[in-house]
Amino acid sequence: GEDVEQSLFLSVREGDSSVINCTYTDSSSTYLYWYKQEPGAGLQLLTYIFSNMDMKQDQRLTVLLNKKDKHLSLRIADTQTGDSAIYFCAESTGGRRALTFGSGTRLQVQP
Amino acid sequence: GAVVSQHPSWVICKSGTSVKIECRSLDFQATTMFWYRQFPKQSLMLMATSNEGSKATYEQGVEKDKFLINHASLTLSTLTVTSAHPEDSSFYICSGRGAGDRNYEQYFGPGTRLTVT
Repeated sequence: GEDVEQSLFLSVREGDSSVINCTYTDSSSTYLYWYKQEPGAGLQLLTYIFSNMDMKQDQRLTVLLNKKDKHLSLRIADTQTGDSAIYFCAESTGGRRALTFGSGTRLQVQP
Repeated sequence: GAVVSQHPSWVICKSGTSVKIECRSLDFQATTMFWYRQFPKQSLMLMATSNEGSKATYEQGVEKDKFLINHASLTLSTLTVTSAHPEDSSFYICSGRGAGDRNYEQYFGPGTRLTVT
């Protein structure tokens, strides 16, 4: 079955860039997503990328996809304390479109 | 993005009772809704896929008679946890899938925290 892996923790200083990495195993993954979850809250869709794209930029967020290595990354420029949260990578395949989530990366931004 | 609401946001119930959780898509029609469960400090695990007007499809290991799902309209799906036990205590999150050319987008509700005593 599908498997999505992420590192568990990342700590950065305010103003620096953050890079959160994700790897997946299903070569037929069609859509890849990044979600943000703040404590006690649901998931907020940050951005997504189709498997036929290499890069997508949306304001402070840049997503890079290396389909050959099945590697996805999320770069947050000028990281702020409000960016502290858990970031989930997720993928979906085909028509069913249910998401398979990674374990989440806890981003801690130090002032 | 589209908005999905859940009600209640937090519920405490006694062991053996049943609890109903509602998931509504507020500004879009969701022909497909998904129910996930999240244990503390863990990722989301898909429980079932709910299609409007048809029976839900449950993931392996999820008891369909215990977790009853009804998707009666394009904007409402309900999850009923029957005969709840303490091990059912968890964070339940629903999501709605967009329609048409946005059907790759999935919008999540704020979650319902269930505590069974």
